[in-house]
Amino acid sequence: DIQMTQSPSSLSASVGDRVTITCRASQSISSYLNWYQQKPGKAPKVLINAASSLQSGVPSRFSGSGSGTDFTLTISGLQPEDFATYYCQQSYTIPQTFGQGTKLEIK
Amino acid sequence: QVQLQQSGPGLVKPSQTLSLTCAISGDSVSSNSAAWNWIRQSPSRGLEWLGRTYYRSKWYNDYSPSVRSRITINPDTSKNQFSLQLNSVTPEDTAVYYCAREVVATQNWFGPWGQGTLVTVSS
Repeated sequence: DIQMTQSPSSLSASVGDRVTITCRASQSISSYLNWYQQKPGKAPKVLINAASSLQSGVPSRFSGSGSGTDFTLTISGLQPEDFATYYCQQSYTIPQTFGQGTKLEIK
Repeated sequence: QVQLQQSGPGLVKPSQTLSLTCAISGDSVSSNSAAWNWIRQSPSRGLEWLGRTYYRSKWYNDYSPSVRSRITINPDTSKNQFSLQLNSVTPEDTAVYYCAREVVATQNWFGPWGQGTLVTVSS
C-alpha cells in the first residue's frame, strides 16, 4: 500500500493567515492526489483533485501543487469557515489511501 | 445533484455480519463514469478505503487487502443502490462507515459522500 503522510498533524492559525499543509507519498503517484475538507460530524468534501484542480464552487483561496511524492495545500486568507480537518488521498493505485489528517484550529 | 442516502443498523454483535445500504439519487449505479465505494473512519485507523463496485459492460469489484476475505459489495440495479457486507466483525470494525461515489475521469476523486453511519461492534 502507498502510505500518505501529512504534516503538520495540527496547526493553529488566525483569520486572514496563509497556511500550508504538506502531504508526502511513500512512492511516486504522479499527480493522482486529492484534498478533502472535513468538518465535525460531516463527511469529507473534495476541494482539489489531480493535485491542483480546484473543484467547482470551492473558493479560490484554496490551491494545491506538487507531483511525484510531495504535495501542498495552501489556504490564502483564512476564513472562519476554513477551520476544519484536511486530508490528502492518492487515487494512483488500489487500495486508495488517505493521509492521517491535519486539524486546522483557530489561534 | 447526486445524493447518497445510507441505511443500516448502528449496532452489530461480534462475529456477526455488518450490512449497510447506500441509495443513489441523481446518478445510476450502472454509470460508466462512476464507481461506488465504501470508506470507513475511526480514531485508530483514520480514513480507510474498503472497496468498490462499478459497471463497465460487466460488474467489477475491488477490495482492500485488509478486509478482502470478509467483504462483499453488491450493486442493486432495480433499486439503484449498492450494499456493504462485512463478515465476522470484531470491535476493531467499530467506525463511521461512508458510501461515496468515485468520479471516474482522467484522475478520480470521491464525491459526494453519504451522511455516514456509526457502526458499533459490541455484545
